[in-house]
Amino acid sequence: QVLLVQSGVEVRKPGASVRVSCKSSGYNFITYSITWVRQAPGQGLEWMGWISPYNGNTDYPQKFQGRVTMTTDTSTSTAYMELRSLKSDDTAVYYCARVRDVVLAAGVFDFWGQGTLVTVSS
Amino acid sequence: DIQMTQSPSSLSASVGDKVTITCQASHDITNQLSWYQHKPGKAPNLLIYDASRLETGIPSRFSGSGSGTDFTLTISSLQPEDFATYYCQQYDDVPRLTFGGGTKVEIK
Repeated sequence: QVLLVQSGVEVRKPGASVRVSCKSSGYNFITYSITWVRQAPGQGLEWMGWISPYNGNTDYPQKFQGRVTMTTDTSTSTAYMELRSLKSDDTAVYYCARVRDVVLAAGVFDFWGQGTLVTVSS
Repeated sequence: DIQMTQSPSSLSASVGDKVTITCQASHDITNQLSWYQHKPGKAPNLLIYDASRLETGIPSRFSGSGSGTDFTLTISSLQPEDFATYYCQQYDDVPRLTFGGGTKVEIK
């Protein structure tokens, strides 16, 4: 079955960086883009961008451009999301998800990781 | 960016009730809309895509409708496991995907 398993809880100080991993199994990793979504405490869902494991192409919303980098390692079917220059309002649960089809079904995130809590505090 | 406005932001309902949640887009998004269910401590779960297509494995009491700027998620008979927060998401304006603010469905 399709599984996405994320790395564990992270605690960082303001100004630091964090990298969260998302290991996929049960499907051809190269065929589907991986997206990242976060939820801050008491807030809604926020889309952070996506990456194609096939060619490494990425798209990030303007809010995160210059501060986020998404990468993949096709040898281990793992996606990574690095967020830099952390602030307290980056405290959130970060989720990875599989995108069914970035052209025909761009908003269809059909399988999700379990989430990774990132806390930013001095 | 396209703004997605959900209403209500929260509601109280009883088991067996029919529940309707609306989502309004600031621009025409044709049918490029999905709905997700999110429970505390769990990952979001895809319910509906392309405004009205039921995801595989989702109970038929969930349905979606609408096109253009106005959309609806309906739960025909609320079950105990349906108490959660529901989000709409537009994907017409790729790659500027946006979610609605969420609707929390609570037990009356």
